[in-house]
Amino acid sequence: KQEVTQIPAALSVPEGENLVLNCSFTDSAIYNLQWFRQDPGKGLTSLLLIQSSQREQTSGRLNASLDKSSGRSTLYIAASQPGDSATYLCAVSLNSGYSTLTFGKGTMLLVSP
Amino acid sequence: EAQVTQNPRYLITVTGKKLTVTCSQNMNHEYMSWYRQDPGLGLRQIYYSMNVEVTDKGDVPEGYKVSRKEKRNFPLILESPSPNQTSLYFCASRRNQPNTEAFFGQGTRLTVV
Repeated sequence: KQEVTQIPAALSVPEGENLVLNCSFTDSAIYNLQWFRQDPGKGLTSLLLIQSSQREQTSGRLNASLDKSSGRSTLYIAASQPGDSATYLCAVSLNSGYSTLTFGKGTMLLVSP
Repeated sequence: EAQVTQNPRYLITVTGKKLTVTCSQNMNHEYMSWYRQDPGLGLRQIYYSMNVEVTDKGDVPEGYKVSRKEKRNFPLILESPSPNQTSLYFCASRRNQPNTEAFFGQGTRLTVV
């Protein structure tokens, strides 16, 4: 059964720092990997989707990489801002059922001014 | 505006009193699903639907029912709620094609006393 792990569980940084969030998965037969953002009391917002054939995706200050063979993905946030404070979740879709997402437990990020 | 709408956002009920949480999407997505989110356990899938009249169990289906009579709606039914179903519930939808992002509702916080 696919398991998704996110490290660290929580992270606190001062504004302006570059930071990396990690995601690992046990079954490398994934169709794609998504990074989501969750604000307190709100739903999930999709940030980036990386197809299994891709190595990385970029959106603004966010860059997500994927190393499918080693079962790892990273989310790089450049020049962090207080507004980036949220919980970040990664989720994978397996080849066998590509519409179903398996989530990690998330990294809670706090960016202080 | 593309969105997934859940109702109610907050609900407190008593053990054994049947309830329904509604979910509606306006994007003509084939795939819809329900998740529950609990501290320390992350997001776990309850049920999903690949299309109208097609539903299947996720990882934690016990105590829940769903129906998919129309493409846009996917209600979650708790026939006899129990305190262990106190949780934050999310509905999600996406196209039933590879590499399409998932859209999530704002969540329903359910408390069963």
